[in-house]
Order: sequence, then C-alpha cells, then structure tokens
Amino acid sequence: AQSVTQLDSQVPVFEEAPVELRCNYSSSVSVYLFWYVQYPNQGLQLLLKYLSGSTLVKGINGFEAEFNKSQTSFHLRKPSVHISDTAEYFCAVRGRNSGYALNFGKGTSLLVTP
Amino acid sequence: GAGVSQSPSNKVTEKGKDVELRCDPISGHTALYWYRQRLGQGLEFLIYFQGNSAPDKSGLPSDRFSAERTGESVSTLTIQRTQQEDSAVYLCASTQEAGNSYEQYFGPGTRLTVT
Repeated sequence: AQSVTQLDSQVPVFEEAPVELRCNYSSSVSVYLFWYVQYPNQGLQLLLKYLSGSTLVKGINGFEAEFNKSQTSFHLRKPSVHISDTAEYFCAVRGRNSGYALNFGKGTSLLVTP
Repeated sequence: GAGVSQSPSNKVTEKGKDVELRCDPISGHTALYWYRQRLGQGLEFLIYFQGNSAPDKSGLPSDRFSAERTGESVSTLTIQRTQQEDSAVYLCASTQEAGNSYEQYFGPGTRLTVT
C-alpha cells in the first residue's frame, strides 16, 4: 500500500514570494505521483503529475514539482505566488501496478496575502 | 465539454435516515471512483467501478454504504441509517480508461451533514 504525508497543514505567504509545499510518500513499489488543487467551493483539479522520465515536472499556473526517489519526496514549488493561488493543495500517490485509486495526503492550505 | 457533475450539492439529513448521492461522469469515461473527504482530512477511497467488471469495494467503511453504476453512466452512492460520523464531502471522479489514464476528473462534491 502507499501513503502520503504532507508536512504542513497551512502555509501563509506574501504575494510574489516563492513557496514550497512539501510531500513525502511511502511505498514498497514504484509509484505515480500527483498534485491536485482545490479552490474554494470547487472540485479538485490536477496541477501536475509524475509518471516517468524527467524528475522535474511542470504543471499549470506556473507550478512545478521534483520527484526525488531517494528522499521519497515530491515537493511542489512556485517562484512567485499570486493571491489567486490561495487554495487547498493535495498530494496523491498510486502504485504503478497495484490498483487504480489514489491515496491522498491531508492537504496543505496555501494562503496568499498582499 | 461537460465535466463530472454531482447532486445534490448539499444534503442535510437526520441521523438514521437513508441518503442517496448521484454522480454523472464525463461521457465516455469507463472508470468511476467515489471518495470521502472529512473536515481537515485528505480524500479516502470508497469504491471503484471499471466498465462491466466487478467493483472494487475495498474502501467502503461499513455495510451501510453501497454504490451502483449502470454500465458506463450514472452512479449512485447510498448510505443507510446515517450516522453523524458520515458527515463529509463525497467526491466522485472519472477517468477515460483506468489502466492507462492517470488523471482523475473530479466533480464538485456533495456536502452531507447528518444532524
């Protein structure tokens, strides 16, 4: 089975500052990794995913994440955040050959203020 | 095109009553998932449908929970004799083909409150 730990439940940051949202996973098999964003009163939307290949993955809205197998991490970064990035961010994992459901972390609430 | 839709968006029910939640997946998506999101928690997997195969019910928390799906269309999640701990947002997601499509498209969810 796979599991995800999001180390920060809340991250406050000022507009135009850089941000990193941390995600660590646990798995005995190779994995696929995902970041989803949930804006207030909206459904989850895929930000980016790592399936294979380059460990640096670029997603929508200027976000990127780096897969680090040795650290079992998949941290999400953005060099300069906007007010509109205020949302809940979820890291998720699934095994490559073990079922199709995603295992989600508890989420990180990103609050961007002027 | 239309995304995943869910109804109702909000449901308040009394403890002990049965509720039925509905999910309309994206047309052509063969796989459908139900998740539960409790306040301050991540999403918990409940059940998964893929085409005409037997559903994966391994995430259902108790026998009060059941779900059905007719072919590759609408799914309903039924909770019998609701309890206060069932209060959560219930999310539905669909994918085009479970084995090779890794992006799950989520609906807006149904917020269930059991009083």
